Amino acid sequence: AQSVTQLGSHVSVSEGALVLLRCNYSSSVPPYLFWYVQYPNQGLQLLLKYTTGATLVKGINGFEAEFKKSETSFHLTKPSAHMSDAAEYFCAVSEAGGTSYGKLTFGQGTILTVHP
Amino acid sequence: NAGVTQTPKFRILKIGQSMTLQCTQDMNHNYMYWYRQDPGMGLKLIYYSVGAGITDKGEVPNGYNVSRSTTEDFPLRLELAAPSQTSVYFCASRRGQGAYQPQHFGDGTRLSIL
Repeated sequence: AQSVTQLGSHVSVSEGALVLLRCNYSSSVPPYLFWYVQYPNQGLQLLLKYTTGATLVKGINGFEAEFKKSETSFHLTKPSAHMSDAAEYFCAVSEAGGTSYGKLTFGQGTILTVHP
Repeated sequence: NAGVTQTPKFRILKIGQSMTLQCTQDMNHNYMYWYRQDPGMGLKLIYYSVGAGITDKGEVPNGYNVSRSTTEDFPLRLELAAPSQTSVYFCASRRGQGAYQPQHFGDGTRLSIL
């Protein structure tokens, strides 16, 4: 069974500082990995995804994530935080193949606060 | 370009009442999903469908029912509302069979049961 752990339910940074949101996963087969962002009272919006190929993935709004198989990690980073980045972020995993039908397993979410 | 549309956006129910949460998508996606989101718990899969007429249980199906008579619509039914079903419900859809394809989410239905 697959699982996702997001380290830190709340992360607070200053505007202009580095954003680092941590995600570790477990999966018995090669995973597909996703980061979603949720702004208040809205649905989830895809930030980026890792499927195959290049392990450093670039997404929208200046975010990127690196797939590290040896560490079973998929941490999300942004070099310089902006006030508009304040939101909740979810890491999710989907297993390739089998009968999973592309079901996503989500982490518990990390709320990012950006201070002026 | 509506994507995934959920109605209603907010609802308050009394214990024991029933209701249907509506979800429709205009992207001709075969795969559709219902999740519930509780604070600090991420999203949990309730039911999913791989096409019209085909549905299956997810992680937390108890107290819910679904149907899929068309490609576009995937309603979620609560028969006897309980306080434990107070949550935010999200519907999502995905194009095809490849698990690498991302899911597209609606804006959610915020449901309170009192």
